[in-house]
Amino acid sequence: GQNIDQPTEMTATEGAIVQINCTYQTSGFNGLFWYQQHAGEAPTFLSYNVLDGLEEKGRFSSFLSRSKGYSYLLLKELQMKDSASYLCAVSVLSLSGGSYIPTFGRGTSLIVHP
Amino acid sequence: GAVVSQHPSWVICKSGTSVKIECRSLDFQATTMFWYRQFPKQSLMLMATSNEGSKATYEQGVEKDKFLINHASLTLSTLTVTSAHPEDSSFYICSATGTSEDTQYFGPGTRLTVL
Repeated sequence: GQNIDQPTEMTATEGAIVQINCTYQTSGFNGLFWYQQHAGEAPTFLSYNVLDGLEEKGRFSSFLSRSKGYSYLLLKELQMKDSASYLCAVSVLSLSGGSYIPTFGRGTSLIVHP
Repeated sequence: GAVVSQHPSWVICKSGTSVKIECRSLDFQATTMFWYRQFPKQSLMLMATSNEGSKATYEQGVEKDKFLINHASLTLSTLTVTSAHPEDSSFYICSATGTSEDTQYFGPGTRLTVL
């Protein structure tokens, strides 16, 4: 099966930088997603890493190390609206090989305070 | 990005009734659709994976006779919760992927409350 681990909760100050880590143990790994989810809403796509390295997209960056089973999401210049749950999700090829099956971590609740 | 809609956005029903939730991909053809359930302060739990024109693949512990999934076209999948009970009250979210990619696009979710 899949095992995904990320911290339950983090707090940070407005304007600061925060790094949310995610470790995983899985077979048939294809890629890793990060999603943002505000309370009562569906997740929204932030990033997708397939290859090792850092991908930057505005204030958000995501890093992946396939050999270490490790990823992080970096949020810069934090804003109050960044307070949300951040979900790490691993994409693996199904046993039948017909589709990619996603498995989500429990999510990290980020609280940004003034 | 791609747009996925869900209908209804919320529903309240009596115990024992059946509820149908629709998931549509509006601007792309969804070869695969996923149905998730999320309880408060918990992560998304995958219920089933459905490919157009074939039977859905259910995750362990999910009753396929209770949660009926139909993926009749490349833009529509439906989840029917049959004989709903209060413990079925949850946030149900669908997602879809297009051909040659595995990025999931999520619908806005349906909040089901069973009285």
